[in-house]
Amino acid sequence: KAGVTQTPRYLIKTRGQQVTLSCSPISGHRSVSWYQQTPGQGLQFLFEYFSETQRNKGNFPGRFSGRQFSNSRSEMNVSTLELGDSALYLCASVGRGTVPGELFFGEGSRLTVL
Amino acid sequence: GQQVMQIPQYQHVQEGEDFTTYCNSSTTLSNIQWYKQRPGGHPVFLIQLVKSGEVKKQKRLTFQFGEAKKNSSLHITATQTTDVGTYFCAAASNTGKLIFGQGTTLQVKP
Repeated sequence: KAGVTQTPRYLIKTRGQQVTLSCSPISGHRSVSWYQQTPGQGLQFLFEYFSETQRNKGNFPGRFSGRQFSNSRSEMNVSTLELGDSALYLCASVGRGTVPGELFFGEGSRLTVL
Repeated sequence: GQQVMQIPQYQHVQEGEDFTTYCNSSTTLSNIQWYKQRPGGHPVFLIQLVKSGEVKKQKRLTFQFGEAKKNSSLHITATQTTDVGTYFCAAASNTGKLIFGQGTTLQVKP
């Protein structure tokens, strides 16, 4: 079956702009988590959605937001981009919705902020 | 908040040598997972440990969960160039979110 699909794969933005990233989980998976990966900070948890509800949130400013649709697809948005937002944004889906199980990661969206 | 510390950050080994990465938490963990990320790729699940003192093997990889469920290790015997990548441990917080260690990047010299 198809894996986790993230779009776009690469994008370049300038400071002050906003960006929306999309994630389609594995069919049947209802939980989606987002992570920011940078060389210095590793994998930082952004948020998790289950059945269109945000279930967990990491320690990121309010400029980072997300949502999940009824078909489990998820989007995350970053407003007023800063240089430090340059990173690989990874989305992962989980088969079981109530217990942290195996995460299936997408290829990621690599954001460069100039 | 809960933190998961992973050491070392980098490890360079000669092909054929062994490699070990360690993961430590200040709190008791319900379970721990390990992931591998190849250069330019995305993290891929390797294994989950749940029981105190659990030991699991996958070919040349040996995973251990400490008796107190506060630490874990991944040991690779006789490394190969295909083992290159970053190895992450990840633990569930008390709110259910998965917290990742900083990762150990393994370089293998042929």
